[in-house]
Amino acid sequence: DAGVIQSPRHEVTEMGQEVTLRCKPISGHDYLFWYRQTMMRGLELLIYFNNNVPIDDSGMPEDRFSAKMPNASFSTLKIQPSEPRDSAVYFCASSLGRSYNEQFFGPGTRLTVL
Amino acid sequence: GENVEQHPSTLSVQEGDSAVIKCTYSDSASNYFPWYKQELGKGPQLIIDIRSNVGEKKDQRIAVTLNKTAKHFSLHITETQPEDSAVYFCAAPGFFGNEKLTFGTGTRLTIIP
Repeated sequence: DAGVIQSPRHEVTEMGQEVTLRCKPISGHDYLFWYRQTMMRGLELLIYFNNNVPIDDSGMPEDRFSAKMPNASFSTLKIQPSEPRDSAVYFCASSLGRSYNEQFFGPGTRLTVL
Repeated sequence: GENVEQHPSTLSVQEGDSAVIKCTYSDSASNYFPWYKQELGKGPQLIIDIRSNVGEKKDQRIAVTLNKTAKHFSLHITETQPEDSAVYFCAAPGFFGNEKLTFGTGTRLTIIP
């Protein structure tokens, strides 16, 4: 298996632009997670899905952030408009069976907002 | 929700010595405690986990111990090697709500050759 796939790996954009991060979970996994990692705040859970349905989005910072999972093999995290404080590494992870079973993380997307 | 505290934030040990990282949690209903290792430029990866029906679990040079009464668990790495240098995260699921994992703040472990 290829593991969790994220794209792009690096994104540099200017403040106010829309940013879309993409994730393909491991085939067969029924949970998908979006995390944000910064030096100041560590690893934060933004939102997670079970069988394509959002279960908990309490970690989404504000209305500028939105996430979708249109099918079992694809999810997006969108930031519109982006701000410099959104600069971070964004990870997607997937797991099978329970929300806290072993989570397999993707390589991350390093986002820089200028 | 769950509150997980992790110490120390940084740790340097001589190659061959042991390293210990400690975590405390707040939700007494938590029953699963994983440890993840994050190497530079990569996502975290599960290295060992323990469930609350056991007090200790070993896998070669790594072990995790759990004290449910005190609500703390620890990662032990023996005979450390340069490839053990990484950031280590503990985590615990809260059961008020929907069992999502809460991660500790991480420990940057450096093995000195």
